[in-house]
Amino acid sequence: DGGITQSPKYLFRKEGQNVTLSCEQNLNHDAMYWYRQDPGQGLRLIYYSQIVNDFQKGDIAEGYSVSREKKESFPLTVTSAQKNPTAFYLCASSIKGPGYNEQFFGPGTRLTVL
Amino acid sequence: AQKVTQAQTEISVVEKEDVTLDCVYETRDTTYYLFWYKQPPSGELVFLIRRNSFDEQNEISGRYSWNFQKSTSSFNFTITASQVVDSAVYFCALSSWDSNYQLIWGAGTKLIIKP
Repeated sequence: DGGITQSPKYLFRKEGQNVTLSCEQNLNHDAMYWYRQDPGQGLRLIYYSQIVNDFQKGDIAEGYSVSREKKESFPLTVTSAQKNPTAFYLCASSIKGPGYNEQFFGPGTRLTVL
Repeated sequence: AQKVTQAQTEISVVEKEDVTLDCVYETRDTTYYLFWYKQPPSGELVFLIRRNSFDEQNEISGRYSWNFQKSTSSFNFTITASQVVDSAVYFCALSSWDSNYQLIWGAGTKLIIKP
């Protein structure tokens, strides 16, 4: 079945450690996105990518990094520079870049910093 | 500036009641897109509908209907004869040139359907 997979579902990290969240899609979509969701709030865009080997910062990119070496994959690294990383992270993709096209979401990764 | 307001933080109704979720948006653009997504307890967002600013026709899909009114900058969502499975957080979002076509999200409305 076509879709977006994120792993792991739950992730625990000690302060000062970097951690990488996986996102894979087999929908043949060009664009991919990472969002952060905090309790009781809407989604905030961290990074997005419209084509391979290119990506742009969203509203809250500080403390995060991404890569887009393959069309199917868009991993997110939460670095130790991110001051408050505990949150729910959602990956999404769309056929083309932002705009008219709806985004399809993965199941999310819940990151907890201990 | 662009903004999406979902003033209802939480709504609780009894099963089979009708319920309307409000969404008010702000944008200076004349071309824009509005979206509704559902987030069940599992966490994954599910796309429900997209509407562009030039199409003011209301839409009905089964028990779901959407009322788009440019005059009041609103894009409200109604569930008729609600069911327990409708319990979720519902998000409204806006996309336009002013936001570089990135989605601007409302804070969401948590809908609780009691049996």
